[in-house]
Amino acid sequence: GQNIDQPTEMTATEGAIVQINCTYQTSGFNGLFWYQQHAGEAPTFLSYNVLDGLEEKGRFSSFLSRSKGYSYLLLKELQMKDSASYLCAVLDSNYQLIWGAGTKLIIKP
Amino acid sequence: GAVVSQHPSWVICKSGTSVKIECRSLDFQATTMFWYRQFPKQSLMLMATSNEGSKATYEQGVEKDKFLINHASLTLSTLTVTSAHPEDSSFYICSAREVEGGDTDTQYFGPGTRLTVL
Repeated sequence: GQNIDQPTEMTATEGAIVQINCTYQTSGFNGLFWYQQHAGEAPTFLSYNVLDGLEEKGRFSSFLSRSKGYSYLLLKELQMKDSASYLCAVLDSNYQLIWGAGTKLIIKP
Repeated sequence: GAVVSQHPSWVICKSGTSVKIECRSLDFQATTMFWYRQFPKQSLMLMATSNEGSKATYEQGVEKDKFLINHASLTLSTLTVTSAHPEDSSFYICSAREVEGGDTDTQYFGPGTRLTVL
């Protein structure tokens, strides 16, 4: 079956760095997405990785290793507004999105 | 874990026809389901919030007469795109929120339905 695993909840301190991991087992791979979702709002697109390596976009970076079925989202210089759920989703061979359950990130002052 | 399915996965239709997309929560009951539209590498755009047994709440700019939503049971919501046109071609994603017992902020997302209107 298809499966995406990410931690349920993480806590970090304002100003620090946090890495949210995502491992996947899917039938085919056409890219991996990271989304941020604040409570009561629609998910916001953060990144899309289809090739191995690190992509940096401001305070957020996303890494992909296709051979390991692994990705992480790195958040630097954490701000209180980064408290949200972070969703990992993989586009499979049928171009269907397989979603992780999301990681709830709690930022403490 | 909670699973949400969508049917069909892919649909190609002619301009002017109507298309119905189903969203089902397979192992939990959902009082609230959400319908999103996604353009490539962009954020999900919330179209409407569907509550079981009542009328859907549409976001600003979404035509309720064009995108008909029915949430007839705690496990099924449908989105009907009426008189579809090529500009309606998109990836439609639903999500469902559990009735109780789980995190009320957690939404479980479906795999999406890719609509192509010729």
